[in-house]
Amino acid sequence: AQTVTQSQPEMSVQEAETVTLSCTYDTSESNYYLFWYKQPPSRQMILVIRQEAYKQQNATENRFSVNFQKAAKSFSLKISDSQLGDTAMYFCAFMKHDFGNEKLTFGTGTRLTIIP
Amino acid sequence: AAGVIQSPRHLIKEKRETATLKCYPIPRHDTVYWYQQGPGQDPQFLISFYEKMQSDKGSIPDRFSAQQFSDYHSELNMSSLELGDSALYFCASSRTQGADYGYTFGSGTRLTVV
Repeated sequence: AQTVTQSQPEMSVQEAETVTLSCTYDTSESNYYLFWYKQPPSRQMILVIRQEAYKQQNATENRFSVNFQKAAKSFSLKISDSQLGDTAMYFCAFMKHDFGNEKLTFGTGTRLTIIP
Repeated sequence: AAGVIQSPRHLIKEKRETATLKCYPIPRHDTVYWYQQGPGQDPQFLISFYEKMQSDKGSIPDRFSAQQFSDYHSELNMSSLELGDSALYFCASSRTQGADYGYTFGSGTRLTVV
């Protein structure tokens, strides 16, 4: 079974600053995906970024980037130039690649607050 | 673009009643997943269907059942409701073919059991 650990229950940062959210995972699988999801107060689950384990290059999406360390089983999210709209709960998630059977295993989340 | 549709958005039921949650996946998506998110918790996988057959099962109580129909929509049936069933229930859909499988969540159904 896979486990995902987010060791930072809460974080806060000033607007326009950079913040890094940590995530570690444990798995014996070799073919998998890692995700960061954002859940604002509306509680909609919004995909922030996705990383395929077979890709060495770290994924980036505008102000969001990851530091994927496969050997260390670490998958951190960096948010640059943080904005008030980034205030949300952030979940790290693991998915084994298995067609038709790709459930997500989530970490416990990090509540991020952007301070004006 | 079409999204995953869940209905109803909100549902209030009394203890021991039955509830049915519906999920309409994105067109051409062949897989549906159900998750339960309790207050202050992370989403927990309940059950999934691929091509109308159950593909995986998580920590779903025996009081709950689900199925996927011929039009690919899915229903989660919850009987003998308990206070602890109060949660946000998400449905997600994906497709197994294509470069971008488009794993997408619906907006959720908020179930309150009183």
